[in-house]
Amino acid sequence: DIQMTQSPSTLSASVGDRVTITCRASQSINSWLAWYQQKPGKAPKLLIYKASSLESGVPSRFSGSGSGTEFTLTISSLQPDDFATYYCQEYKSYSVTFGQGTKLEIK
Amino acid sequence: EVQLVESGGGLVQPGGSLRLSCVGSGFTFSSKAMSWVRQVAGKGLEWVSTLSGSGRDTYYADSVQGRFTISRDNFKNVLYLQMNSLRAEDTAIYYCARSDSSTWTGNFDYWGQGALVTVSS
Repeated sequence: DIQMTQSPSTLSASVGDRVTITCRASQSINSWLAWYQQKPGKAPKLLIYKASSLESGVPSRFSGSGSGTEFTLTISSLQPDDFATYYCQEYKSYSVTFGQGTKLEIK
Repeated sequence: EVQLVESGGGLVQPGGSLRLSCVGSGFTFSSKAMSWVRQVAGKGLEWVSTLSGSGRDTYYADSVQGRFTISRDNFKNVLYLQMNSLRAEDTAIYYCARSDSSTWTGNFDYWGQGALVTVSS
């Protein structure tokens, strides 16, 4: 199975900050990577697919980059609504796997 | 508006069975592969199973292979997950999730709100 490792596990930041979350795959997944946002008690929400494609309706302050084994999710200017947990997910294999999550907290 | 609504969760004893349902609306149900993804409280996400839009192709995580069965009724727009031989480690919130294609492409563009399954004596 492909292993996905996110860093950091927790990130403290302020409104207006630029933040970056990293996701590493245990083997090349080309660009078959998605990013999700999850708020407490809610279902995950798709933000980015195919490593860098922005899902419809998602604010443009979110962006994704990378290919192969290293990927990043960047939020250009944090808004109060962005404090949540973020997950990466590979979908190169049919038995898709998620990263362990990055909790974005208010500093 | 795409909506996915799960039902059927609850408390079951170890070794018992439970069937989850997910009703889809706001899209052509038979044209999308559908999946179940679970999440232990306070923990990460784990893919469980996927079924193609036609119902012909099924996929299971190793952890549930042979115990869980995914199925769908495209006339009623319902996805099912039959869970047998349940274990304590199956305790989780189970989400129904839609893929962006009729075949299993691997990502999930819409999710339901989840159904809690608790396996305990």
